[in-house]
Amino acid sequence: AQSVTQLDSHVSVSEGTPVLLRCNYSSSYSPSLFWYVQHPNKGLQLLLKYTSAATLVKGINGFEAEFKKSETSFHLTKPSAHMSDAAEYFCVVRGLNQFYFGTGTSLTVIP
Amino acid sequence: DAGVTQSPTHLIKTRGQQVTLRCSPKSGHDTVSWYQQALGQGPQFIFQYYEEEERQRGNFPDRFSGHQFPNYSSELNVNALLLGDSALYLCASSLEGGPYEQYFGPGTRLTVT
Repeated sequence: AQSVTQLDSHVSVSEGTPVLLRCNYSSSYSPSLFWYVQHPNKGLQLLLKYTSAATLVKGINGFEAEFKKSETSFHLTKPSAHMSDAAEYFCVVRGLNQFYFGTGTSLTVIP
Repeated sequence: DAGVTQSPTHLIKTRGQQVTLRCSPKSGHDTVSWYQQALGQGPQFIFQYYEEEERQRGNFPDRFSGHQFPNYSSELNVNALLLGDSALYLCASSLEGGPYEQYFGPGTRLTVT
């Protein structure tokens, strides 16, 4: 069975400092992993995806994530937070014909 | 390139009523999935449609049903509405055979009173 666990429900950073959002996955086969962002009252936007190619994946808006099989992790990072990054972030693993979402991490950016 | 569109944006219904939500997939996509997102939670998979058939279903009762049309658009129907059905309903489209990312619409906010 596939599942993801987002280790922090809330993360708060100062503008210009690094962002780290943590995600561990469980999968019975080689996983396809995604990070989505959801701004208030908006739909979900794909940030980046891992599908068994390069383990360091670059996404939009300066975000990237590293797939670590030995740690079953897929953490999302950004070198420097911007006010517009404040949103809800979801780690997702693809199963058979469906996506399994984590419970989300709310990112607050302090000016 | 048109993205995923959903209608209506907001909807208020009374307990026991029935509701229909609509979704048009991203241009070129042939697969539609529906998710329910309760307040403060991650989206939960309801079902997926491909070739006008429901081919995967999550843990939702039969009150939730759907349909896919030949042009790949889709409807989600919920009967006998309960207060607990109040949520954001998200439609996602993808392409059978890959790439496997799903593109989401803005959602329909359903409030049941």
